Amino acid sequence: NAGVTQTPKFQVLKTGQSMTLQCAQDMNHEYMSWYRQDPGMGLRLIHYSVGAGITDQGEVPNGYNVSRSTTEDFPLRLLSAAPSQTSVYFCASSYGAAGTALYEQYFGPGTRLTVT
Amino acid sequence: TQLLEQSPQFLSIQEGENLTVYCNSSSVFSSLQWYRQEPGEGPVLLVTVVTGGEVKKLKRLTFQFGDARKDSSLHITAAQPGDTGLYLCAGADNQGGKLIFGQGTELSVKP
Repeated sequence: NAGVTQTPKFQVLKTGQSMTLQCAQDMNHEYMSWYRQDPGMGLRLIHYSVGAGITDQGEVPNGYNVSRSTTEDFPLRLLSAAPSQTSVYFCASSYGAAGTALYEQYFGPGTRLTVT
Repeated sequence: TQLLEQSPQFLSIQEGENLTVYCNSSSVFSSLQWYRQEPGEGPVLLVTVVTGGEVKKLKRLTFQFGDARKDSSLHITAAQPGDTGLYLCAGADNQGGKLIFGQGTELSVKP
């Protein structure tokens, strides 16, 4: 199993450009999430999905869109990049769906995004 | 809004010393997890605690969940350079099962 994969590993964008961060998992997990990590702020939830066709907003959703057409894939789209979106982005998946109290998050290796 | 406060944010110690990292909140969590992250990689789960008062041990690491399920601690005995990394606590909320992360504790263990 490859686990959770993310592409690209690094990306530089100009303000106003759009792009999609890819995330895929091969563990048949129902629950997938996108986080951003900034120094001194831990990980903040952007969007999450409890299964194919179902997505919901997290703590910091503005400027990002997601869709979940298959169990395996959960892409994150930046509509019009801004310098405030410079961050490290992590995709995660887990067995548990919303409402379960016990679940382990499996994280991808991250995408380092710089917006100039 | 549920918040998790981790302390200290930075910790630099010598090999062989003991240390404790704290994770505190005014909210009750259904479970609490501890992750460890190395530079350039994603976090990896160390442990999940579910019951108030629960204590779990993982070799030299001891994790405790507070009786009221609002706080947790991670104690490392005889730290080694291989323990260096970012330690994150994360609480599962009671409403949607989402994880709320603390700010992290950056640990450096010098030989």
